[in-house]
Amino acid sequence: GAVVSQHPSRVICKSGTSVKIECRSLDFQATTMFWYRQFPKKSLMLMATSNEGSKATYEQGVEKDKFLINHASLTLSTLTVTSAHPEDSSFYICSARDLPRQLASNEKLFFGSGTQLSVL
Amino acid sequence: DAKTTQPPSMDCAEGRAANLPCNHSTISGNEYVYWYRQIHSQGPQYIIHGLKNNETNEMASLIITEDRKSSTLILPHATLRDTAVYYCIVSRGYQKVTFGTGTKLQVIP
Repeated sequence: GAVVSQHPSRVICKSGTSVKIECRSLDFQATTMFWYRQFPKKSLMLMATSNEGSKATYEQGVEKDKFLINHASLTLSTLTVTSAHPEDSSFYICSARDLPRQLASNEKLFFGSGTQLSVL
Repeated sequence: DAKTTQPPSMDCAEGRAANLPCNHSTISGNEYVYWYRQIHSQGPQYIIHGLKNNETNEMASLIITEDRKSSTLILPHATLRDTAVYYCIVSRGYQKVTFGTGTKLQVIP
């Protein structure tokens, strides 16, 4: 199956710093990528949808200036947590769909291995 | 996306079949049923999906009722490595995917 690579797997940073997380589709072109966050023992919460070459679409309640998403190429999307605070500590997961922009009803998602962010 | 309802947890003896149910009574005609699982501290893994016919692959079988309002994921011979949270999702493939709370499957030795 298709592979999505996410880096880093774990990052510890000081409060006030910015952290960048990369999500790459290794063997397919991903026109759409999704970013999720997950708190301990909770389900995945969709943060935003990232489309190559256009601005990301954020879910309600997600601060776009706080979580900067860039999807400049068909194989790379990045999530930057700006001015991180302890409450931003979470497990961040990206996913990608091997899908052209045309409608297709049955494409599945491929997920990265996740990034555990700890803000001190 | 249609909503899904799953039991919060289930146990299964190792080597036995694990049957995970999912209700999706508001599913619409062109929405597929997808199953993913998440092993602790990892990204979710795709298992199987289907529209209305039963499906089988190397990991599992998916049984969808004729009215499509519910489905069952079957792991034929559960192993300890199948311990995970299993998510049932209904979606059109091009839409964003939102996760419910899933079923935490514990495979017992």
